[in-house]
Amino acid sequence: AQSVTQLDSHVSVSEGTPVLLRCNYSSSYSPSLFWYVQHPNKGLQLLLKYTSAATLVKGINGFEAEFKKSETSFHLTKPSAHMSDAAEYFCVVTISGGYNKLIFGAGTRLAVHP
Amino acid sequence: DTGVSQNPRHKITKRGQNVTFRCDPISEHNRLYWYRQTLGQGPEFLTYFQNEAQLEKSRLLSDRFSAERPKGSFSTLEIQRTEQGDSAMYLCASSRRGGPELNEKLFFGSGTQLSVL
Repeated sequence: AQSVTQLDSHVSVSEGTPVLLRCNYSSSYSPSLFWYVQHPNKGLQLLLKYTSAATLVKGINGFEAEFKKSETSFHLTKPSAHMSDAAEYFCVVTISGGYNKLIFGAGTRLAVHP
Repeated sequence: DTGVSQNPRHKITKRGQNVTFRCDPISEHNRLYWYRQTLGQGPEFLTYFQNEAQLEKSRLLSDRFSAERPKGSFSTLEIQRTEQGDSAMYLCASSRRGGPELNEKLFFGSGTQLSVL
């Protein structure tokens, strides 16, 4: 079975400092992994995805994530937080090549302070 | 690309009443998904359609829930005899020709927030 665990329910950073949102996954198969962001009153938006190509994945708005198979992790990072990054972030797993449902983690709420 | 549209944005109902939500996917998107998101949790898969065919339903979808996509365009999700545990955000998503299994990107709507009193 596939699952994801987001290790922090809340993360608070100051504007201009690095962001780290942690995610560990469990999968019996080669996983596809995603990060989605949810701003209030807006639909979920795809930030980036890993599908067995390069292990360091670059996404939108300066975010990137690194797939580490040995650690079963897919942490999301950004070098410098912006106020507009404040939102809920979801780590998501599925199986590439035959499994059509997204399995979401519980989410991490990111707060960015001036 | 006008995005995925969901109506209503909010619905308040009394326990035991029936409710229906509507989702208009992005034009010409063949795949349509319904997800449910409860407070403090990530979205959970409910069901999906390929054109007008409902191909899979989650065990979360009790027999009080029914979803349709009669012409392969918009979809409705009906909940009969609502219970307080049905209170959640109901999300709709669409993709062009397939889903994550084909590395297709899902586009999500803003959701319908249901409150059952």
